[in-house]
Amino acid sequence: KQEVTQIPAALSVPEGENLVLNCSFTDSAIYNLQWFRQDPGKGLTSLLLIQSSQREQTSGRLNASLDKSSGRSTLYIAASQPGDSATYLCAVPDQTGANNLFFGTGTRLTVIP
Amino acid sequence: NAGVTQTPKFQVLKTGQSMTLQCAQDMNHNSMYWYRQDPGMGLRLIYYSASEGTTDKGEVPNGYNVSRLNKREFSLRLESAAPSQTSVYFCASSLTGGQQPQHFGDGTRLSIL
Repeated sequence: KQEVTQIPAALSVPEGENLVLNCSFTDSAIYNLQWFRQDPGKGLTSLLLIQSSQREQTSGRLNASLDKSSGRSTLYIAASQPGDSATYLCAVPDQTGANNLFFGTGTRLTVIP
Repeated sequence: NAGVTQTPKFQVLKTGQSMTLQCAQDMNHNSMYWYRQDPGMGLRLIYYSASEGTTDKGEVPNGYNVSRLNKREFSLRLESAAPSQTSVYFCASSLTGGQQPQHFGDGTRLSIL
């Protein structure tokens, strides 16, 4: 079964700093990888989806990279803002055919003004 | 622009009680999902419905039942609640069965005493 790990579990940075969040997965035969944001008391919002054929995907200040062979993805956030404070989750699809995502436990980011 | 709506937002039950969590989406999506989120664990799929009239078990279906009432609504029922079912429950949807869950509700926080 696919296992998804995110380290660190929590991260605090001063406003304006660039930062990287890490995601690793055990089975490299993935179709894609998705990054989500979760605000306290809220559901998940999809940020970026990288197909297995892609190496990077960008949206505004966010850049996600994917290295299938090493089983890793990173989410780069440029010029962090207090509004970026949230939990960031990565997820990969179930390759067995079930319409499921395997989620990491997330990194809780706090951007300090 | 509601998206995925879950009711109730909070609920406290006693062991052995039953309850139904409601989920409705207004995006004309075919597929709907129920996940649970527990501290230190990623979201785990309980049940999903690839299309109206079909339901399938996910990773952790024991103790739950589901009903796809129509295209819009997908309910999750706990017949005899147990403390191990204390969790945050998320409903999600996607346009087709071939897609991964994309849109999430804000969750139902359920405590079982």
